[in-house]
This record gives sequence, C-alpha cells and structure tokens, in this order.
Amino acid sequence: AQTVTQSQPEMSVQEAETVTLSCTYDTSESDYYLFWYKQPPSRQMILVIRQEAYKQQNATENRFSVNFQKAAKSFSLKISDSQLGDAAMYFCAYLSGGSNYKLTFGKGTLLTVNP
Amino acid sequence: DTEVTQTPKHLVMGMTNKKSLKCEQHMGHRAMYWYKQKAKKPPELMFVYSYEKLSINESVPSRFSPECPNSSLLNLHLHALQPEDSALYLCASSQDMGRRPQHFGDGTRLSIL
Repeated sequence: AQTVTQSQPEMSVQEAETVTLSCTYDTSESDYYLFWYKQPPSRQMILVIRQEAYKQQNATENRFSVNFQKAAKSFSLKISDSQLGDAAMYFCAYLSGGSNYKLTFGKGTLLTVNP
Repeated sequence: DTEVTQTPKHLVMGMTNKKSLKCEQHMGHRAMYWYKQKAKKPPELMFVYSYEKLSINESVPSRFSPECPNSSLLNLHLHALQPEDSALYLCASSQDMGRRPQHFGDGTRLSIL
C-alpha cells in the first residue's frame, strides 16, 4: 500500500518570503499522480498543484511550484512571495495511475503566515 | 466560488434523527465521492459513485446511506448516528474515477448531540 509522509506538522513564514513544505511517498508503481491541496479555516479543500509521475518537468502554478524527485520519492511544495491568504493546512496526496480511485493523503502541514 | 456545492453548511442532530446531506456539481463529472474528516486529520474516503452507480463502500456503517439520483447530485442519508460521527463531511467530484484530480466542496459540519 502507498503511504504519504509529511514530516512537518507546522511551519511558519514571514509575509513575502518563501517557504518549502516537504512530502515523501512510498510506492512500487511507476504510473501515479501527486497533488497538493490547501485547506484554509473556511474548510474547502482547494487543489493547489498536480504532478504526473511520467513528467520530468516540475509543475508550476503562479507562486506555487513543486520539486519532484521521482527516484527519491519526494514531492515538495515551494510557495514564493507568501501572502496572508496562504495560511492553511496543506495536504500532500497520492493517486495511483491504475484503476485505483483512492487518494492517499499525508497528515498535513499547518502553515502560518506572519505579517 | 466552489464548483461543488454542499448543503447544509452546518447540521446539528440528535442520535435518533434522520437527516440528509446534499452535494451538487455541474462540471459534467461522472465520479463523486463522500469523505469524512475529523479535526486536524486528513479526509477519509467513505463512498465512491461512478456513472451514478455505487462503486466503492469503504466499510462504512449502515447508518450512513449514500444515494446518487443523477449525475449531478449526491446525497448522504443519516440515521441513528453516534457522537463519534461528528465531523466535517466533504463531497468531491472528478471527471472520472482515478487519474483525474478531485474537486472538493466546502463541506458540511455535522454535530451529533
């Protein structure tokens, strides 16, 4: 079974600075997808960024980018120019590329942004 | 604005009540999901519907009864719940099962008295 590990329960960053959230995963599959979801206190789970395992290029969405290291099974999220609205719980998630339907989530990292 | 709409946002019910949670999406997605999330924990999958048929039941107690009347609508019927069922219930949808990212609603905060 796949596992997803987020080793940082809490992180903080100053507004306008850069922060990196860590995620590692364990799988024997070669075809899979990785996601970062953000859940602010308003509680909606918002898809931040996705990465297909077959793509070598790291995904980028505006101020959010990932460092995908397939061999090391690492998928970290970098947030640049942090804003107060980035404060949230961030979940890393794995989805098998086969017929599996199940998102496997990490335990989450609570990000605080200090003004 | 969320593309997956859940109602109600908050629900308080007694252990003998019967209530329903509703989820709606108009993105043409053919897979819909119910998750349960306890405070400061990741979501746990409960049910998956694919093309309006129940595909997956993650060994959920029968006091939770899902229903998919059409491709846009997903209900979760609740009856005789226990205090430990108090949680945030999230609905999600995706273009189809697997591969596609899931889009979540705002959730229903359920409290069992």
